[in-house]
Amino acid sequence: DQQVKQNSPSLSVQEGRISILNCDYTNSMFDYFLWYKKYPAEGPTFLISISSIKDKNEDGRFTVFLNKSAKHLSLHIVPSQPGDSAVYFCAASVRWTGNQFYFGTGTSLTVIP
Amino acid sequence: DTEVTQTPKHLVMGMTNKKSLKCEQHMGHRAMYWYKQKAKKPPELMFVYSYEKLSINESVPSRFSPECPNSSLLNLHLHALQPEDSALYLCASSQGNLAIWRNNSNQPQHFGDGTRLSIL
Repeated sequence: DQQVKQNSPSLSVQEGRISILNCDYTNSMFDYFLWYKKYPAEGPTFLISISSIKDKNEDGRFTVFLNKSAKHLSLHIVPSQPGDSAVYFCAASVRWTGNQFYFGTGTSLTVIP
Repeated sequence: DTEVTQTPKHLVMGMTNKKSLKCEQHMGHRAMYWYKQKAKKPPELMFVYSYEKLSINESVPSRFSPECPNSSLLNLHLHALQPEDSALYLCASSQGNLAIWRNNSNQPQHFGDGTRLSIL
């Protein structure tokens, strides 16, 4: 049963515009959320995270928003750059129960020059 | 550059072969993971080692045998694999639970680039 879902398998955005990637989860116990970026032939690279005590975390061009009541998080990339083209996975965990992370199915982002 | 190193990058083996995948990290992490990833799917957790002890085994078939010789190394021994086992095998590491609880902080997992395994 998929506890973390990314309903958009792909997204295309013009360079310089905003990219918004979405993620939904079902387990209300999740309290730590992450976004990973994956290029072909490489492992996932950690991008940004957010704890459930916050609703926003920003790091440069990347901002993650968390809506706990809706069990929804999103990643905003602005401005989008061609080098951002990759597969983005969201992940979630329950910090106190161990090291198990649950991954979404991924969204392939293409930034068009 | 990834701080988690996996070898080999590619491996082709027959169904009767025995081989091992290796993973190494020198970040002082005390939790290490094996994931399996098929094309267009998310990584699927296979095993978790916490402080060199196996803490999670996600009902993985016995033809996959993990080993954690020390806090920096993680191996995955392969024997009598099936064609459907062909996939990208990812290793990851993170701080152990004690560090997380002591520091009251969350930490991400850091992934290697994976071993692309093909079973003939």
